[in-house]
Amino acid sequence: KAGVTQTPRYLIKTRGQQVTLSCSPISGHRSVSWYQQTPGQGLQFLFEYFSETQRNKGNFPGRFSGRQFSNSRSEMNVSTLELGDSALYLCASSLVVGGTEAFFGQGTRLTVV
Amino acid sequence: AQTVTQSQPEMSVQEAETVTLSCTYDTSESNYYLFWYKQPPSRQMILVIRQEAYKQQNATENRFSVNFQKAAKSFSLKISDSQLGDTAMYFCAFDNTDKLIFGTGTRLQVFP
Repeated sequence: KAGVTQTPRYLIKTRGQQVTLSCSPISGHRSVSWYQQTPGQGLQFLFEYFSETQRNKGNFPGRFSGRQFSNSRSEMNVSTLELGDSALYLCASSLVVGGTEAFFGQGTRLTVV
Repeated sequence: AQTVTQSQPEMSVQEAETVTLSCTYDTSESNYYLFWYKQPPSRQMILVIRQEAYKQQNATENRFSVNFQKAAKSFSLKISDSQLGDTAMYFCAFDNTDKLIFGTGTRLQVFP
C-alpha cells in the first residue's frame, strides 16, 4: 500500500511569488492535514480537509490556502511568499477525522530567497 | 487553548539502556487522544504509540511504553533496550479530534 506522497520534495522560490504543494493521501484515507515545520516554531497546524471540506484552520494568514479534490488529493497554496515561509511542509492523511493514526509524507522543503 | 510541553530539548542514551522522554499537556477536555511520533533524520514522521484518554491502562508497543497520568496531565514515553535506530526527534502530540497539537520535540541520540 503506497504511503503519503508529497510533491515536489524541494522548492526554491523568490519573495513575492506563489507556490502550490501537492499531497496524495493513502488510498481510502479521506482526511488530509497540513503542517508547517520550522526550527523556531516547531510543528504548526495549517488546515485539515475531509471529504473536500475544510474542517479546521490554524492561525496562519490568508496567504495560506488549500483545497481537497474528490479523490482526496490535496493542494496547499501560498501566495506572496515571504522569507519567513521557508519551512518543511508536511502533509498527513488519516482514515477518519480525529483520534486515529496520522500517516505523514516526506514533506516539501520550501526555501524562499 | 490546548498546549503540549516537552521540557527536554535533547537527550542521549547508551545502546541497550532505558530512557524516558517527558511530556505534559494542558486541556479542559475529558475526551482526547495522545500520541508519540518519531521523526528520524530522513524526516518522515511515524507513529510510535497512541493512548486514549478514557483508558486507564498505559499503552505498550514492544520496547515502547507510556506512563499516562491523566490527573497530572502527563504523558511520558519510555524506550527500553534502546537501539541505534531509535535516534530521532520525538514529538508528543494531543488530539481532541479537532487537530493534532505537537510539542516542540526532544532530540534523542542513541550512542554505542
